[in-house]
Amino acid sequence: RKEVEQDPGPFNVPEGATVAFNCTYSNSASQSFFWYRQDCRKEPKLLMSVYSSGNEDGRFTAQLNRASQYISLLIRDSKLSDSATYLCVVTRGGYQKVTFGTGTKLQVIP
Amino acid sequence: NAGVTQTPKFQVLKTGQSMTLQCAQDMNHNSMYWYRQDPGMGLRLIYYSASEGTTDKGEVPNGYNVSRLNKREFSLRLESAAPSQTSVYFCASSERGYEQFFGPGTRLTVL
Repeated sequence: RKEVEQDPGPFNVPEGATVAFNCTYSNSASQSFFWYRQDCRKEPKLLMSVYSSGNEDGRFTAQLNRASQYISLLIRDSKLSDSATYLCVVTRGGYQKVTFGTGTKLQVIP
Repeated sequence: NAGVTQTPKFQVLKTGQSMTLQCAQDMNHNSMYWYRQDPGMGLRLIYYSASEGTTDKGEVPNGYNVSRLNKREFSLRLESAAPSQTSVYFCASSERGYEQFFGPGTRLTVL
C-alpha cells in the first residue's frame, strides 16, 4: 500500500461548483499535512497547511481526520483559475520523511 | 529575491553521459531537496540536505550523487545517465521542514 494515496481524477466541475478531494495516509506516525497546487508544467506551490482543528483560507477549507487517516480539501465557488493538480503532502520525523501524493487533477469548465 | 533557481531548464543526454544539475536558493534556508517527478509516480525524493555539510539519501538515490556546496547551493550529478532517468527534476528548500519552495524544474531526456 502506498504511504499517501489520492484519486488521480480528473475531476471536471462547472464554474461555481463545490468540489472536495480526499487523501489517505497509511502511517499513523505522520505529523504534518499540507496541500500543494501544481499548474501544468510548473513547480508545486504550497496552497495551505492542514491543522488538526481544520482551517479555512477564503474558498478553501482543509480538514484532518486522524482516526481515519485522511485529509480533505474543499473548494467552494470554483473558478477557472482553480484548474490544476492538487498534491497531498504528509511528513513525519520532521523533514526526515516527506511524502507527496501523486495528485488529483481538477478541471473547472465554463 | 529570486527564491529557488535551477539550471539548466532543459537537457538532452545520450546514455552514459554525465551532467550536473545546479540549484541555488537565496532565502537562507537550511534544508534543501532534490526530487524527480514522473507521470503517475508523484514527486519522489532523491537526496536531501538538512543543513550545510550534510546530505542523506531519499527514496530513489541510485544513479545520483549530490553536493551541498554551501548554504545556498545544492547540486545533483548523474554520473552515467540512463533512459530511466528521463524525468523532471525539482530542487526545493525549506526552513524548519515545513513549507517547501520549489525551483522551476529541469526537464531531462536521456536517449
